[in-house]
Amino acid sequence: AQSVTQPDIHITVSEGASLELRCNYSYGATPYLFWYVQSPGQGLQLLLKYFSGDTLVQGIKGFEAEFKRSQSSFNLRKPSVHWSDAAEYFCAVGLSGGYNKLIFGAGTRLAVHP
Amino acid sequence: DGGITQSPKYLFRKEGQNVTLSCEQNLNHDAMYWYRQDPGQGLRLIYYSQIVNDFQKGDIAEGYSVSREKKESFPLTVTSAQKNPTAFYLCASSITSGGNNEQFFGPGTRLTVL
Repeated sequence: AQSVTQPDIHITVSEGASLELRCNYSYGATPYLFWYVQSPGQGLQLLLKYFSGDTLVQGIKGFEAEFKRSQSSFNLRKPSVHWSDAAEYFCAVGLSGGYNKLIFGAGTRLAVHP
Repeated sequence: DGGITQSPKYLFRKEGQNVTLSCEQNLNHDAMYWYRQDPGQGLRLIYYSQIVNDFQKGDIAEGYSVSREKKESFPLTVTSAQKNPTAFYLCASSITSGGNNEQFFGPGTRLTVL
């Protein structure tokens, strides 16, 4: 069965430090991959997406992610974290064929220390 | 501004009551979705609709019902048969129902059963 794993439930970083949020997926075909961000009590906003082509994708707010097929991973990175990046981050896999079903990971909650 | 609106933001329900959550989009999207979000579980799909007058059950449809009489509207009814309805509910839409289409999310409705 298809699944998405985000191994880190909570991560705390200092402002200005680099960030990497991990995402691993299980899916037999070529996945469509997404990272979303959610501020407390709000909806989800798309950070970036990967469908094909260059495996390093750039997103909004200075985020990037790299697709590694051999590792079934799509990790999110940011070189320097800002206090406003504190939020919950969700990785999702879009399934090909049929309807647009997204499988979400459980999320990683990011805290930023000043 | 184009987007998705959900109302109300907060909703309280007594046990045994049905309640209806509103979702409206002015993005001219064909597909619409309802998700339930519980702490530590990511998002789970309740129902989705690929086109007007058509909808399909998602992974956790029991105790919920929907309708899609208009393209822009996809209301969700939480019935008394839903055993644990307290959760955060998110509505989303996408241009079509292909797996490579970004889903746009509303701000959510928090439902609490008293």
